[in-house]
Amino acid sequence: GAVVSQHPSRVICKSGTSVKIECRSLDFQATTMFWYRQFPKQSLMLMATSNEGSKATYEQGVEKDKFLINHASLTLSTLTVTSAHPEDSSFYICSARDGTSGGAGYEQFFGPGTRLTVL
Amino acid sequence: KQEVTQIPAALSVPEGENLVLNCSFTDSAIYNLQWFRQDPGKGLTSLLLIQSSQREQTSGRLNASLDKSSGRSTLYIAASQPGDSATYLCAVRSSGSARQLTFGSGTQLTVLP
Repeated sequence: GAVVSQHPSRVICKSGTSVKIECRSLDFQATTMFWYRQFPKQSLMLMATSNEGSKATYEQGVEKDKFLINHASLTLSTLTVTSAHPEDSSFYICSARDGTSGGAGYEQFFGPGTRLTVL
Repeated sequence: KQEVTQIPAALSVPEGENLVLNCSFTDSAIYNLQWFRQDPGKGLTSLLLIQSSQREQTSGRLNASLDKSSGRSTLYIAASQPGDSATYLCAVRSSGSARQLTFGSGTQLTVLP
């Protein structure tokens, strides 16, 4: 099956610093990648959708200047949390959609998540 | 705007029981529906995907049904095991051009040995 990896799995940083999270599709080409955040005991909330080579589309209420998304290749997308604050502490999950599987239901494959803690 | 609700929020059962998790959605214009499993602090594992034209899907001890007209889906787990303990998420994909996935808040299942 399709595999999506994320790095790092866990990061602790000081308030005011920037943190970059990588998301890679290991065995397929991801024309579209998605970034979600999840607070404890809550569901996943979509932050943004990115298509390879294009600017990301952000959901309402998500600051694009704070959460920088780059999808420069068909296998890599990065999320940079700039000037992180304690309220940005959350579980960030990326997801990738195989560009060749549109007829198979637009199935998304999810990464293992990154736990961000901002002190 | 699509809203997905899962009931119950938490469920605890003894090992061996059969159980049903419920998912309801407000907009029946869906492309497909997917059930995921999430272990604590981990990502999502896809369990079953049901296309809008399908009524059910089965995988091992799991069976998912879909009634699009009433906006409901159920996940049936047979002969539950402690290893089934996890949070189960239902997600609905819209039929619009964006094909966006909307998640429910999940059911936290605990299977007691």
